[in-house]
Amino acid sequence: DGGITQSPKYLFRKEGQNVTLSCEQNLNHDAMYWYRQDPGQGLRLIYYSQIVNDFQKGDIAEGYSVSREKKESFPLTVTSAQKNPTAFYLCASRGIYTATNEKLFFGSGTQLSVL
Amino acid sequence: QKEVEQNSGPLSVPEGAIASLNCTYSDRGSQSFFWYRQYSGKSPELIMSIYSNGDKEDGRFTAQLNKASQYVSLLIRDSQPSDSATYLCAVNPPGGYQKVTFGTGTKLQVIP
Repeated sequence: DGGITQSPKYLFRKEGQNVTLSCEQNLNHDAMYWYRQDPGQGLRLIYYSQIVNDFQKGDIAEGYSVSREKKESFPLTVTSAQKNPTAFYLCASRGIYTATNEKLFFGSGTQLSVL
Repeated sequence: QKEVEQNSGPLSVPEGAIASLNCTYSDRGSQSFFWYRQYSGKSPELIMSIYSNGDKEDGRFTAQLNKASQYVSLLIRDSQPSDSATYLCAVNPPGGYQKVTFGTGTKLQVIP
């Protein structure tokens, strides 16, 4: 089945530690996204990528880093510089070569908590 | 000013009533508009997309777009308890073709 897979489902970070959230898609989508969601809040854009080896900062990129070495993969690293990382992280993808913008396909999310 | 604004709610409506959800956006050149539904602890799922001024209907859902006034709305007719969820408005702002910005979401409660 085609889809977008996030792992792990739950992740715990210790003080001063970097952690990486995985996002893989087999939908042949060019664009991929990372969003952060805090309780009772909407989605805030962290980073997005339109093509391999290229990515753009979103609205809250500080304390995060990404890479896009393969079309299928867009991992997110939460660095120690992110002082309040506890949140629900959503990865999404979509195709871009269409007459109208396609919908976002979301992964099932990763809940990150600080120990 | 936030790029996409929604009333956080909760919006409570009785079963069978019409629920009206509103969203305003700041970038006048925005071209694409989406409504997503998100159940608690789950990922968002697309309900409606709209690109042109006017109404777009799909079953019990109607999306309305008014670019001159910079607002987009979602009407849910014959609301059901299963419609109780958070509804997120998303917009493609100009300048960043692939950037998709979400509002804070409106929590809808349909009372049986």
